[in-house]
Amino acid sequence: GEDVEQSLFLSVREGDSSVINCTYTDSSSTYLYWYKQEPGAGLQLLTYIFSNMDMKQDQRLTVLLNKKDKHLSLRIADTQTGDSAIYFCAEMGNSGYALNFGKGTSLLVTP
Amino acid sequence: DAGVIQSPRHEVTEMGQEVTLRCKPISGHDYLFWYRQTMMRGLELLIYFNNNVPIDDSGMPEDRFSAKMPNASFSTLKIQPSEPRDSAVYFCASSFGRNIQYFGAGTRLSVL
Repeated sequence: GEDVEQSLFLSVREGDSSVINCTYTDSSSTYLYWYKQEPGAGLQLLTYIFSNMDMKQDQRLTVLLNKKDKHLSLRIADTQTGDSAIYFCAEMGNSGYALNFGKGTSLLVTP
Repeated sequence: DAGVIQSPRHEVTEMGQEVTLRCKPISGHDYLFWYRQTMMRGLELLIYFNNNVPIDDSGMPEDRFSAKMPNASFSTLKIQPSEPRDSAVYFCASSFGRNIQYFGAGTRLSVL
């Protein structure tokens, strides 16, 4: 299938901003998602963006989409220790219903 | 709504045994998905259903895996016989159309 790539680890200090990046290869992707997974838990949808949008902001979360470069980013402002988790980027192609996930970025927030 | 409910949360079994994982989707959702999460391969789609009918099972690893959805509120994923390499976290998700997929808490399977 098509690839979704993410860096594996990110460490930030509490109060700083975190930026998690994702690249994808399927140019027909219509929906792009960010999910959060805490230890031992399922995947919680954080936010999503349609492919005809460049940016979406939701409280501390900002999603930027560069469709030309097939690059998606998630910015978390004022990162808190409770934000420590694994963040997954996922895309849904134009004709499919299933999600294609990246391997996840493990975010560690230190005091 | 209680969300997607999976059971059991943890399953430990011996190689060769049959394992059945269960899922109750969100009421009103017409799509149900089974995913598997491993360290090596990440999250992979196994199969998905639309209105209780299997649509794409190309992700099912082999004939030892089978999935059913006898009605709109229940699905099972069965592994028979189980093998150590089946050890993973299995997630069920549901959606209404091509909208947001909501995930259950997962079943952590360990095959010894």
